[in-house]
Amino acid sequence: EAQVTQNPRYLITVTGKKLTVTCSQNMNHEYMSWYRQDPGLGLRQIYYSMNVEVTDKGDVPEGYKVSRKEKRNFPLILESPSPNQTSLYFCASSLGMNTEAFFGQGTRLTVV
Amino acid sequence: AQTVTQSQPEMSVQEAETVTLSCTYDTSESDYYLFWYKQPPSRQMILVIRQEAYKQQNATENRFSVNFQKAAKSFSLKISDSQLGDAAMYFCAYRSAYSNSGYALNFGKGTSLLVTP
Repeated sequence: EAQVTQNPRYLITVTGKKLTVTCSQNMNHEYMSWYRQDPGLGLRQIYYSMNVEVTDKGDVPEGYKVSRKEKRNFPLILESPSPNQTSLYFCASSLGMNTEAFFGQGTRLTVV
Repeated sequence: AQTVTQSQPEMSVQEAETVTLSCTYDTSESDYYLFWYKQPPSRQMILVIRQEAYKQQNATENRFSVNFQKAAKSFSLKISDSQLGDAAMYFCAYRSAYSNSGYALNFGKGTSLLVTP
């Protein structure tokens, strides 16, 4: 089954404790991205990758890192999480610009 | 980044009736793609319908159709014969056809649709 898999689905952590949210897709998509969803703001892009070893900042990259060592994986790293990073995070992948983006199930992150 | 505006934070429709969700966008580009995504309480993002800007014909997917007005930069979603399962948050999204944007999806803030029996 074609899918984007994120882990974990839920995470509660403390300020400053490094964490990684994993994202994997099995569709051989070149394009992957991370979004955060906050009430009243919709989804905003954090980082994106157009291919292996090619990543770039989206609209809200501060406090996040990503890597794309393999085509299928695109982890999101929070080196020192802060409470304002409490949010719902989505990973997405797509084959190209004119095709739909497939989204993961979302990760609900709470930073206390 | 292009701005996408959904002016209706909440909408309500009765079962079997028709509802239209509005979306406008701001862009100077001539080539782009528009999407409507549905997010039910499960939080999963589900593609409802897609429209290419170069196509004049409005896209249709079963009970879902769009009214795409390129000159007016408007992209509304019409849901016919509404069903209880249509209750969800609906997001309008814009994607540039140019790679310098990273092919990002620019989302509106969403419209929460309530379907009443």
